[in-house]
Amino acid sequence: GQSLEQPSEVTAVEGAIVQINCTYQTSGFYGLSWYQQHDGGAPTFLSYNALDGLEETGRFSSFLSRSDSYGYLLLQELQMKDSASYFCAVSFVSGYSTLTFGKGTMLLVSP
Amino acid sequence: SAVISQKPSRDICQRGTSLTIQCQVDSQVTMMFWYRQQPGQSLTLIATANQGSEATYESGFVIDKFPISRPNLTFSTLTVSNMSPEDSSIYLCSATRQGADYSEQFFGPGTRLTVL
Repeated sequence: GQSLEQPSEVTAVEGAIVQINCTYQTSGFYGLSWYQQHDGGAPTFLSYNALDGLEETGRFSSFLSRSDSYGYLLLQELQMKDSASYFCAVSFVSGYSTLTFGKGTMLLVSP
Repeated sequence: SAVISQKPSRDICQRGTSLTIQCQVDSQVTMMFWYRQQPGQSLTLIATANQGSEATYESGFVIDKFPISRPNLTFSTLTVSNMSPEDSSIYLCSATRQGADYSEQFFGPGTRLTVL
């Protein structure tokens, strides 16, 4: 089967940097995605890593190490509006085109 | 960017009844999916809605309970049949834009269902 582990909650202050980790155990791993969901809102896509290394998109970066079955989402220059839940999700090799989501990490940004 | 709308946004239903949720995308997409999410919990995939053919259901979900239609590239419905209080949840539709990887999904606002 598949399993993903991420912290349930992370707290930080405005302007800081925070890293949300995700470890996975799955067969046929293809890539790791990150989604943001504000309370009461729809999940929104943030980033996707299929290859090892760092992908940067503005204040957000995502990293993947396939050999360690590990990835993280890095949020820089935190703002109050970044308070949300963040989900990692794994995708599998072609032929099984679905995502399996982790349980989510609630990020609380304080002034 | 493409937008997904869902109807109804919320509903309160009686045990034993059925509810059909509609999902409309404003542009053609390749894949459409239906998820269930309890407040504060993760997203659980119910099924992939296939255009013109039967949906592909995940383990634990069956067609008799969650019949799905997708008559064209921009529209899908999910029916929650013979409802019980355990079906109370948020139901989300998602899609993948043409040319994008299926890992990049965009979501509708969800339908909040309460079963009494």
